[in-house]
Amino acid sequence: GNSVTQMEGPVTLSEEAFLTINCTYTATGYPSLFWYVQYPGEGLQLLLKATKADDKGSNKGFEATYRKETTSFHLEKGSVQVSDSAVYFCALSDGQGGSEKLVFGKGTKLTVNP
Amino acid sequence: AAGVIQSPRHLIKEKRETATLKCYPIPRHDTVYWYQQGPGQDPQFLISFYEKMQSDKGSIPDRFSAQQFSDYHSELNMSSLELGDSALYFCASSLSGRAGTQYFGPGTRLTVL
Repeated sequence: GNSVTQMEGPVTLSEEAFLTINCTYTATGYPSLFWYVQYPGEGLQLLLKATKADDKGSNKGFEATYRKETTSFHLEKGSVQVSDSAVYFCALSDGQGGSEKLVFGKGTKLTVNP
Repeated sequence: AAGVIQSPRHLIKEKRETATLKCYPIPRHDTVYWYQQGPGQDPQFLISFYEKMQSDKGSIPDRFSAQQFSDYHSELNMSSLELGDSALYFCASSLSGRAGTQYFGPGTRLTVL
């Protein structure tokens, strides 16, 4: 079945550091890929997405590129801020059988210190 | 912009009681999804509805049922509650054909005592 594997956390960085959170996937067909962010006590917010190979999703300084050859969708940000502290989930949707349910990775908790 | 609305935000129940969670999707969205997120866990898909018909089913216990009404709001009914049902329950909505982009509500935190 479909699955998503994220790097284990927690990740602790200083403000303005470079961030990479690795995400790889296993899926039949050609899934859409997503990064969602969950701030403490809140719901999931869509951060960015990519729907086909070589697409780059970007938002709020975060980027991720859909790499079909390595089945990866790593999240990067050049300079993190304290306000980026949250849990980040990589997810896929393969649309098989008409269903677009999301399959999530385990999540990576990011803490950014001043 | 209008977002997904869930009610109640918090719910405390005793074991073996029943609970009903409600979800109001973003206007014009035709698909609703329910997910369960245990403490420190990733969200797990429960069930989805497209145009008021069940479209997919995940790891939803037989004690749970759900439906989508004519106004597109959805309800998740949970009976014979167990301690292990304590979790965050998210509803998400989407417009079909939009590459699976789902927008999540704030969640209902269910605590079973």
